[in-house]
Amino acid sequence: AQKVTQAQTEISVVEKEDVTLDCVYETRDTTYYLFWYKQPPSGELVFLIRRNSFDEQNEISGRYSWNFQKSTSSFNFTITASQVVDSAVYFCALILYNTDKLIFGTGTRLQVFP
Amino acid sequence: GAVVSQHPSRVICKSGTSVKIECRSLDFQATTMFWYRQFPKQSLMLMATSNEGSKATYEQGVEKDKFLINHASLTLSTLTVTSAHPEDSSFYICSARVPRVRDTQYFGPGTRLTVL
Repeated sequence: AQKVTQAQTEISVVEKEDVTLDCVYETRDTTYYLFWYKQPPSGELVFLIRRNSFDEQNEISGRYSWNFQKSTSSFNFTITASQVVDSAVYFCALILYNTDKLIFGTGTRLQVFP
Repeated sequence: GAVVSQHPSRVICKSGTSVKIECRSLDFQATTMFWYRQFPKQSLMLMATSNEGSKATYEQGVEKDKFLINHASLTLSTLTVTSAHPEDSSFYICSARVPRVRDTQYFGPGTRLTVL
């Protein structure tokens, strides 16, 4: 069975601090996709990144970066120089190749204080 | 591209009434749409998969007769909560899959349902 674990329920940081959100997944399949979504207080899910299981290259997009390590089944997300607008719930998710079911982690609530 | 809308964004209804929530793909045709439910401070739980022109596939534990799903066109799926009760109060989010890109879903802004 597939599973996504986000062990950090809530994280609080002060603006400009760096913060890493952890995501550990479980699957026996070799082909799958991993995602990160942001859910601000408005509720809408904002797509951040999609990564397939064969691409372990780390990715950087502005202040956001992702570290994918198949050896530890982890797909961690780092925000550099956090800002108040980064305050939201962040979900990591997994979907197996050629299936429809997106499996979400329990989410990490990030609060960035000024 | 890949914009999904939901209507209404917020609805309050009395216990025993039915509520319809619409999910539309605005700039693409979606043969498959998904309905999720999210309780406060919890994750998203898939309720059902909606396929255009056929019956929806419900996840285990989801009452088909209570949560009616209709996907009558390639851009519209509706979720009707029938005979709503306070325990049905929740945040309902739909998503749609872009054709030929099975793995990526685009989400609507969600509908907050409050049943009094």
